[in-house]
Amino acid sequence: GQNIDQPTEMTATEGAIVQINCTYQTSGFNGLFWYQQHAGEAPTFLSYNVLDGLEEKGRFSSFLSRSKGYSYLLLKELQMKDSASYLCAVEMVGGGSYIPTFGRGTSLIVHP
Amino acid sequence: EPEVTQTPSHQVTQMGQEVILRCVPISNHLYFYWYRQILGQKVEFLVSFYNNEISEKSEIFDDQFSVERPDGSNFTLKIRSTKLEDSAMYFCASGGRDNEKLFFGSGTQLSVL
Repeated sequence: GQNIDQPTEMTATEGAIVQINCTYQTSGFNGLFWYQQHAGEAPTFLSYNVLDGLEEKGRFSSFLSRSKGYSYLLLKELQMKDSASYLCAVEMVGGGSYIPTFGRGTSLIVHP
Repeated sequence: EPEVTQTPSHQVTQMGQEVILRCVPISNHLYFYWYRQILGQKVEFLVSFYNNEISEKSEIFDDQFSVERPDGSNFTLKIRSTKLEDSAMYFCASGGRDNEKLFFGSGTQLSVL
């Protein structure tokens, strides 16, 4: 089985930096996704990490440590529109297919 | 950017009825998935489909569920006899060869009365 943990809720101020952590325990680990989901909408892709280290993409960066079973998503220069749920999804290999399994998500509230 | 499209966007049905949720994945993708999300809960994996067959399924995907790729473009999820607890948003997703990025459709909101 798998276990994916991330904080339920976080709050931050517009313009600030926030780090959302995700820890996981799983077998057959292949990679880790971060998705953003606004209420009532589909998840949208933010990042994908396979190797250890930091991947930077504009205001968003994602870090992975495979040995520690740990990832974080870093959001810089926060904007009000960044208020959303951030989903950590662990990708496992099974039956010839890649299976992203989602954590419960972290609800981020950005206030002025 | 290419899109995964799902129809209908909303489906209301009576308990015990059959529903078919439809998806058109991105045309050159190889991996197809159905997920569901009950209101306020996490996105849950239902089933994956690769090379014209189910490659993996979760405990949720019991005998009342089935998937088909009838014509090489559509990817359907059938729920044979719906229950109240099947009410959820159902997302279709597809991924390319390297599967580095999973594209999600906008979902079908299923309400079972």
